[in-house]
Amino acid sequence: AQSVTQLGSHVSVSEGALVLLRCNYSSSVPPYLFWYVQYPNQGLQLLLKYTTGATLVKGINGFEAEFKKSETSFHLTKPSAHMSDAAEYFCAVSDDMGGAQKLVFGQGTRLTINP
Amino acid sequence: GAGVSQTPSNKVTEKGKYVELRCDPISGHTALYWYRQSLGQGPEFLIYFQGTGAADDSGLPNDRFFAVRPEGSVSTLKIQRTERGDSAVYLCASSLSGGLSYEQYFGPGTRLTVT
Repeated sequence: AQSVTQLGSHVSVSEGALVLLRCNYSSSVPPYLFWYVQYPNQGLQLLLKYTTGATLVKGINGFEAEFKKSETSFHLTKPSAHMSDAAEYFCAVSDDMGGAQKLVFGQGTRLTINP
Repeated sequence: GAGVSQTPSNKVTEKGKYVELRCDPISGHTALYWYRQSLGQGPEFLIYFQGTGAADDSGLPNDRFFAVRPEGSVSTLKIQRTERGDSAVYLCASSLSGGLSYEQYFGPGTRLTVT
């Protein structure tokens, strides 16, 4: 079975500082990996995804993530935090089986940006 | 265009009652997913529809939960004999088709509280 672990349920950084949100996964097949962001009272929005090919993936709003198979990790980074980045972030894994994109999510990391 | 909509946004019901939660997917999207998000947790997969049929209902927790999509568009999640443990945010997502090539677009969710 697939699973996702997000290290740190809360992360706080200063505006302009590096954002690093950690995600480790477990999968018995080549994984497809996703990061979603959830703003209050809104639906989840896809930030970026890794399927195959280049292991460094760039997403929206200046975020990027690197797939490291040897470390089973898919950490999310942004060089300089903005106040608007404050939200809940979810890492998810899926596999290409059965036609359904069944996402398995981590428990989420709440990002706070300090002025 | 319009995104995924869910009604009601909030539902409070008494233990033992029956509830229906509605999802209106993006027009033309053939794939529809239901997830459940308990407090402090990431979303958990419940059921996947491709067209009118439930292609994968492996995430439904028990036979009190049922979902339909009779015309391949709107879907209704039905919960019988609600229990306090059913309290959660129920999320709906749709995508152009099944499979990992297609982004899932999430609705804002229905917050269900069972008293």
